[in-house]
Amino acid sequence: AQSVAQPEDQVNVAEGNPLTVKCTYSVSGNPYLFWYVQYPNRGLQFLLKYITGDNLVKGSYGFEAEFNKSQTSFHLKKPSALVSDSALYFCAVRDVDTGFQKLVFGTGTRLLVSP
Amino acid sequence: NAGVTQTPKFQVLKTGQSMTLQCAQDMNHEYMSWYRQDPGMGLRLIHYSVGAGITDQGEVPNGYNVSRSTTEDFPLRLLSAAPSQTSVYFCASIPSSGTEAFFGQGTRLTVV
Repeated sequence: AQSVAQPEDQVNVAEGNPLTVKCTYSVSGNPYLFWYVQYPNRGLQFLLKYITGDNLVKGSYGFEAEFNKSQTSFHLKKPSALVSDSALYFCAVRDVDTGFQKLVFGTGTRLLVSP
Repeated sequence: NAGVTQTPKFQVLKTGQSMTLQCAQDMNHEYMSWYRQDPGMGLRLIHYSVGAGITDQGEVPNGYNVSRSTTEDFPLRLLSAAPSQTSVYFCASIPSSGTEAFFGQGTRLTVV
């Protein structure tokens, strides 16, 4: 069965510093990987995805993620954090061979960017 | 184009009551899913549908029922509410290309 681990409940970073939110995954086949962001009292918004191709994926709001097959990781990164980036971030995975609707989420990482 | 619309946004139920959470999408997406979000547990899949008339169970289906009579609507029914069903519920729709899931704003349910 597929699974996702987000080892950090919270990440604290100062505005202007680079940020990394960690994600590791487990699937039996090849993965489709996603990052979503959730602002307070809102639904989840799509940030970026890895399907195939370049290991460095660029997404919305200046975020990017690096796919590392050997380490089964898909860490979310941003070169310079903004206070407005403070939110709850979810990594998600589905196996290429399973249905699109079987998207498995991690437990989430709260990002807090201080001024 | 409204995307995914969930109603109600908030609901308080008494133990044993039943209710239906509504979800509608106007993007003609084939796939729809229901998730519940609980602190420290992320989002867990309750039920999903791959098209009108076809539904299946997810990770935590007990106590919930679904149907999909049209492409647009995917209601979630709580048969006899329990305090353990206190949660935030999200509906998602996914196009057949599977590029990304589109989420509703959520329904915050409290069972007392």
